[in-house]
Amino acid sequence: ETGVTQTPRHLVMGMTNKKSLKCEQHLGHNAMYWYKQSAKKPLELMFVYNFKEQTENNSVPSRFSPECPNSSHLFLHLHTLQPEDSALYLCASSRDDKGNEKLFFGSGTQLSVL
Amino acid sequence: AQSVTQPDIHITVSEGASLELRCNYSYGATPYLFWYVQSPGQGLQLLLKYFSGDTLVQGIKGFEAEFKRSQSSFNLRKPSVHWSDAAEYFCAVGANYGGSQGNLIFGKGTKLSVKP
Repeated sequence: ETGVTQTPRHLVMGMTNKKSLKCEQHLGHNAMYWYKQSAKKPLELMFVYNFKEQTENNSVPSRFSPECPNSSHLFLHLHTLQPEDSALYLCASSRDDKGNEKLFFGSGTQLSVL
Repeated sequence: AQSVTQPDIHITVSEGASLELRCNYSYGATPYLFWYVQSPGQGLQLLLKYFSGDTLVQGIKGFEAEFKRSQSSFNLRKPSVHWSDAAEYFCAVGANYGGSQGNLIFGKGTKLSVKP
């Protein structure tokens, strides 16, 4: 148990659906992240939030919309996704967003887009 | 631009044998260096990290890594592998001196299988 909880664990959606991924951390951290993990590709940083403010958007398509209502919760809203968006989406947190901080990861949401 | 290379996609070792996973990086200055492990169906867990000082770093689960500036390497080692070490291992490099997590780059990973 890492202290970072992601729901749902698995999600299957059609290209016209709208769904949301949820992440919650119980570690008192101030920074939260969304990563995309695809087969045979390096882990890709998508978004960074520090003290609820977005500090990084790694050129992510607008069909992915993050929301961070407070330092403990992070959402990723999905709409009109493409099959190539199928991947494992990992949430992580750290004390702050400095480069020397240890990341704590959730178990991920395995997303399949049909 | 910084980059990380893990040359081995998949390694198989026998239980009890020693292990070395390779990681090479490209970065202009001394970077932050990390090794993370991912068990099946799980997120990543930090094994160890290097920022400065002693170039031999001890981590959890009996792992260690050595930073070699001259070779731009940060190889992960374990003297005796256990079946529970079967997982995927990721090397990552980050910007030192005030860099943010947005500068953290992960390698593609090395999958470790352990034979009984």
